[in-house]
Amino acid sequence: DAKTTQPPSMDCAEGRAANLPCNHSTISGNEYVYWYRQIHSQGPQYIIHGLKNNETNEMASLIITEDRKSSTLILPHATLRDTAVYYCIVRVPYRDDKIIFGKGTRLHILP
Amino acid sequence: DVKVTQSSRYLVKRTGEKVFLECVQDMDHENMFWYRQDPGLGLRLIYFSYDVKMKEKGDIPEGYSVSREKKERFSLILESASTNQTSMYLCASRSGTSGMWTQYFGPGTRLLVL
Repeated sequence: DAKTTQPPSMDCAEGRAANLPCNHSTISGNEYVYWYRQIHSQGPQYIIHGLKNNETNEMASLIITEDRKSSTLILPHATLRDTAVYYCIVRVPYRDDKIIFGKGTRLHILP
Repeated sequence: DVKVTQSSRYLVKRTGEKVFLECVQDMDHENMFWYRQDPGLGLRLIYFSYDVKMKEKGDIPEGYSVSREKKERFSLILESASTNQTSMYLCASRSGTSGMWTQYFGPGTRLLVL
């Protein structure tokens, strides 16, 4: 699996958009970008995934650069409940059985 | 809405006890997984199952066994609990056929072995 690099922590004001970056410069053509988050003492929560096109769902938007070497997860209107560790991973979904998280980004939402 | 439930959020057991952790999913998923998560070690895969009656060893199966008698239920068994099995245990499920291949996690069971 390609590795990802994320900033260890970020702050965002409540109500503003939170933009979480992820670098995956060695991503291969069949690897998807997945985002999960983990609120303290809870199980990881799936957020969104994509291959090359930008994606949006009820939780977030995923912007993938044209060269696919980086991506940004956007939480459009952050709330205190979005405080969590956010993990960006790359994997081949139909091949890779196990999930491996890196250190992720600890997002603090400031009131 | 996807739903993976685990039988307990917190458990305290004594060394040598047999421990059962239950996981149920209501998404008709074929594949189910058990992980443990420890600070500094991240997620580690213990066992997984592609379908009923099937099981595959993950990276750290020693000291654990599993049971998958029904499609919706995947049980993790600690035959004789030890203190080094104190951890957060996470169950996940995934469709094996729909093309989504996304793993959905349960809330976790925090197990303390004394």
